[in-house]
Amino acid sequence: DQQVKQNSPSLSVQEGRISILNCDYTNSMFDYFLWYKKYPAEGPTFLISISSIKDKNEDGRFTVFLNKSAKHLSLHIVPSQPGDSAVYFCAASEDSGYALNFGKGTSLLVTP
Amino acid sequence: DAGVTQSPTHLIKTRGQQVTLRCSPKSGHDTVSWYQQALGQGPQFIFQYYEEEERQRGNFPDRFSGHQFPNYSSELNVNALLLGDSALYLCASSLPTGTYEQYFGPGTRLTVT
Repeated sequence: DQQVKQNSPSLSVQEGRISILNCDYTNSMFDYFLWYKKYPAEGPTFLISISSIKDKNEDGRFTVFLNKSAKHLSLHIVPSQPGDSAVYFCAASEDSGYALNFGKGTSLLVTP
Repeated sequence: DAGVTQSPTHLIKTRGQQVTLRCSPKSGHDTVSWYQQALGQGPQFIFQYYEEEERQRGNFPDRFSGHQFPNYSSELNVNALLLGDSALYLCASSLPTGTYEQYFGPGTRLTVT
């Protein structure tokens, strides 16, 4: 049973515009959320995370928003760059150091 | 600072055979997790090793087993391979507590024919 859902398989955005990637979860025990980025032939690379006690975390061009009541989080990339083109995975965990539960990923294409 | 390394990169096996995949964690990490990523899916947690013991296990059959060595490196073994075991197998390393981030290797692509 998929506890983390990314309902958009793909997203295309123009360079310089905002990219918004969405993620929903069903398990209320999740207390930490992460975004990973994956290029072909490479492993996922950690991008940004957020604890359930916060509603926003920002790191340069990347911002993650968490809405606990809606069990929804989103990743904003501003401005989007062609090098951001990759598959983005949302992940969640119940406890530090333990298993990550991943969504199916969203393939982002940033066009010049 | 060496990241997570995995070997081999690619592997082709026949149904019914057994396979062993290897992983060396990032320097300073002592916890190793294994994930299976099927085509078009996100990584699925198989199990995690800490202090040479299996600490947590996902919903995978007993055909999937593992081991962690004193130097923190790890092996994933899969017996009686099925066609459905064809996937990218990812190893991730982390600290055992206090942090949630896991650092992934490039993966081993297993094809079962």
